[in-house]
Amino acid sequence: AQSVTQLGSHVSVSEGALVLLRCNYSSSVPPYLFWYVQYPNQGLQLLLKYTTGATLVKGINGFEAEFKKSETSFHLTKPSAHMSDAAEYFCAVNPYNQGGKLIFGQGTELSVKP
Amino acid sequence: EAGVTQFPSHSVIEKGQTVTLRCDPISGHDNLYWYRRVMGKEIKFLLHFVKESKQDESGMPNNRFLAERTGGTYSTLKVQPAELEDSGVYFCASSQWRTQNYGYTFGSGTRLTVV
Repeated sequence: AQSVTQLGSHVSVSEGALVLLRCNYSSSVPPYLFWYVQYPNQGLQLLLKYTTGATLVKGINGFEAEFKKSETSFHLTKPSAHMSDAAEYFCAVNPYNQGGKLIFGQGTELSVKP
Repeated sequence: EAGVTQFPSHSVIEKGQTVTLRCDPISGHDNLYWYRRVMGKEIKFLLHFVKESKQDESGMPNNRFLAERTGGTYSTLKVQPAELEDSGVYFCASSQWRTQNYGYTFGSGTRLTVV
């Protein structure tokens, strides 16, 4: 069965520091890949997605992620953290030939220290 | 454009009672999904409607859960009778397209607490 692993349930960075949230998936066929963010008391918001084409994907709020097939990874980065980035981040995959179903990782809570 | 609306936002019920959650998708979105996040676990797929038809209900945990989407508009998810392990946040999402090329829009979720 497909699975998604997010390394670290909590990540804390200082404001202005690099943000790196890790995501690995298990699949022999590259799926579609997504990062979602959930701010307190809000729904999940799509940050970025990889379907085909360029492996470095840019999203909203300065985030980007790189699809590495050889490593089955889709890590999320942002060069400089802002206080407003504090939220929970979810990596998800849409497995090949399974309609629109998403399989999520366990989520990573990002804290940003002043 | 109005987003995906879920209500209630919170519900606290006693074990054995019935609860009905509602989801109003974005107008014109044929695809509607239900997901659930139990405390401390990952968000898990429950089921997928295309219009009023259940396309995939492989994630429904047991027969205490009943999802409907009459007329292909809003959807309800009924839990009857509720058990303690049903506590969690229930998310609804909708999309115009079946494939994930375009992502889908999530609602804010309903937090269900069974005591």
